[in-house]
Amino acid sequence: NAGVMQNPRHLVRRRGQEARLRCSPMKGHSHVYWYRQLPEEGLKFMVYLQKENIIDESGMPKERFSAEFPKEGPSILRIQQVVRGDSAAYFCASSPIIYRVPDTQYFGPGTRLTVL
Amino acid sequence: DAKTTQPNSMESNEEEPVHLPCNHSTISGTDYIHWYRQLPSQGPEYVIHGLTSNVNNRMASLAIAEDRKSSTLILHRATLRDAAVYYCILRALSNTGNQFYFGTGTSLTVIP
Repeated sequence: NAGVMQNPRHLVRRRGQEARLRCSPMKGHSHVYWYRQLPEEGLKFMVYLQKENIIDESGMPKERFSAEFPKEGPSILRIQQVVRGDSAAYFCASSPIIYRVPDTQYFGPGTRLTVL
Repeated sequence: DAKTTQPNSMESNEEEPVHLPCNHSTISGTDYIHWYRQLPSQGPEYVIHGLTSNVNNRMASLAIAEDRKSSTLILHRATLRDAAVYYCILRALSNTGNQFYFGTGTSLTVIP
């Protein structure tokens, strides 16, 4: 059973460009979470999605950031018009449902975004 | 958000036990205590979790205080590969979430 997969592992963008980060959850997991980790800091929750639904986006910046988890395919975190402050590691996690409750989260290796 | 407090850093000698403390005085009755660790340049890795009773698995043991206001992650024999940042997290379940709130964690150094 493959773990959570994220690509690309490293992404370089110039200011004003768009960044698209992809996450494929573990097989059988229908819940996906995105976190951001700034240098020398802990992870900060951004958004929680189920298939085709955003459940909680309370940690997502109101502008330029969006996330989706379509019925088919990976979850996408999209950052429009990137700025230097967006440089960070972005981690995706997925969880199964156990007794109808989302359970332990399993993390991917992250995408390291560098904005020049 | 329920919060946790951990020491910023700890050191241990190789092959000795390590006790990593965590305070969570505002924990609610339904919050699970999770521990993750993050090795350099990697994503967080699940270590262990519990609710009320002490838990053991192949990686570690989790000792939970009777009042649940604190817990301790126990690595029975530290190895160099255990050098990582260890996060104690309270998992708050709600109708809209399964959020994990990470603090700054404890950076564990293992001395050969």
